[in-house]
Amino acid sequence: QSALTQPASVSGSPGQSITISCTGTSSDIGIYNLVSWYLQHPGKAPKLIIYEVTKRPSGVSNRFSGSKSGNTASLTISGLQAEDEADYYCCSYAGSITYVVFGGGTKLTVL
Amino acid sequence: QVQLVESGGTLVKPGGSLRLSCAASGFTFSDYYMSWIRQAPGKGLEWISYISSGTTYTNYADSVKGRFTISRDNAKNSLYLQMNSLRVEDTAVYYCAKTYPSGWFDPWGQGTLVTVSS
Repeated sequence: QSALTQPASVSGSPGQSITISCTGTSSDIGIYNLVSWYLQHPGKAPKLIIYEVTKRPSGVSNRFSGSKSGNTASLTISGLQAEDEADYYCCSYAGSITYVVFGGGTKLTVL
Repeated sequence: QVQLVESGGTLVKPGGSLRLSCAASGFTFSDYYMSWIRQAPGKGLEWISYISSGTTYTNYADSVKGRFTISRDNAKNSLYLQMNSLRVEDTAVYYCAKTYPSGWFDPWGQGTLVTVSS
């Protein structure tokens, strides 16, 4: 059982927007603005798409955006494209001992 | 271009040992924390260890503490993971990743598969 809770799957049609939630606790997401998101295509390594809740690394499409409210972080993908079909993982800093916790992952299907 | 290339994964029997390596290029390796993160077949991601840039600090997940040891050689731009007392549940793809101390990882290597089975 993962420390952060994500929906197992979400789906959307091309051009639509979807949001993936990531629920933690007051020991991780709730007190640190240090949530990151990764996408992983089948058989490939994860790729960072969001860090520090809302920031995008250079080269990542602005169709990806992040937010946080309380113990829940969210990833929104606008203008869905076929290439967005992948697994998405959230991650939060959780203090100097635990360090980080990951979500269980969400499979995005583009219909 | 930043590149991380893992090696050393193979089939090993329960109770056995294995050493993974990660060769880094395209950035000043000695300036950055590094981590190992694993993914069991069909499962999610699990951070297992990090090491600070100068090797002063290391940290481990409870699942591997006392069995795995992370190390690095900054002169060789290389990261290592010594894995002892391996268990079936250690079967996973092991990734190395450039690590930011506040808890994100970028980029990741392509991974190396460790299979623990009799």
